[in-house]
Amino acid sequence: AQSVTQPDIHITVSEGASLELRCNYSYGATPYLFWYVQSPGQGLQLLLKYFSGDTLVQGIKGFEAEFKRSQSSFNLRKPSVHWSDAAEYFCAVGATGTYKYIFGTGTRLKVLA
Amino acid sequence: EAGVTQFPSHSVIEKGQTVTLRCDPISGHDNLYWYRRVMGKEIKFLLHFVKESKQDESGMPNNRFLAERTGGTYSTLKVQPAELEDSGVYFCASSRAGKGTDTQYFGPGTRLTVL
Repeated sequence: AQSVTQPDIHITVSEGASLELRCNYSYGATPYLFWYVQSPGQGLQLLLKYFSGDTLVQGIKGFEAEFKRSQSSFNLRKPSVHWSDAAEYFCAVGATGTYKYIFGTGTRLKVLA
Repeated sequence: EAGVTQFPSHSVIEKGQTVTLRCDPISGHDNLYWYRRVMGKEIKFLLHFVKESKQDESGMPNNRFLAERTGGTYSTLKVQPAELEDSGVYFCASSRAGKGTDTQYFGPGTRLTVL
């Protein structure tokens, strides 16, 4: 069955520290991968997406993600976290011939001053 | 351009009542989707419109849920009668094309609480 796993429900980091949010997917077809962020009171905002090509993808707000087919992973990274990054982050997968996104359960990020 | 808007942002109703959620997609987006997130769970697909036609409503929980998209513009999602388990955040999204490669743009969601 198609699924997306975000193993970390909550993560706390200090401002200025590096960040890595994990995402693993199970999908038979070629996956198209997305990271969204939801800040309080806001909608889901697209951070970045991967369809093909370079497996290291750059996104907005200084985020990047790396697609590793061998590990079925698409982890999100940021070298230095800002207090405004506190939000909930969702990994999602789509695929050729489909239109549904399959989401993980989300990771809530807390940033300590 | 304006993003996807949803109304209301919050709704609190009692079990057995009816609630209607509205979504206005980005102008020019023929594809409209409804998703739902029950507390602590993943965001799950409910249904997909292309213009005014339902393409896939396989994610709709039961026949208490009715979605419409009159004229291919805004969409409504009605829950009648509401049950406790319907509580959650209902997201609407839209895209130009209905393909897995097409970015879906999400609204802020409607938080529904059924007491």
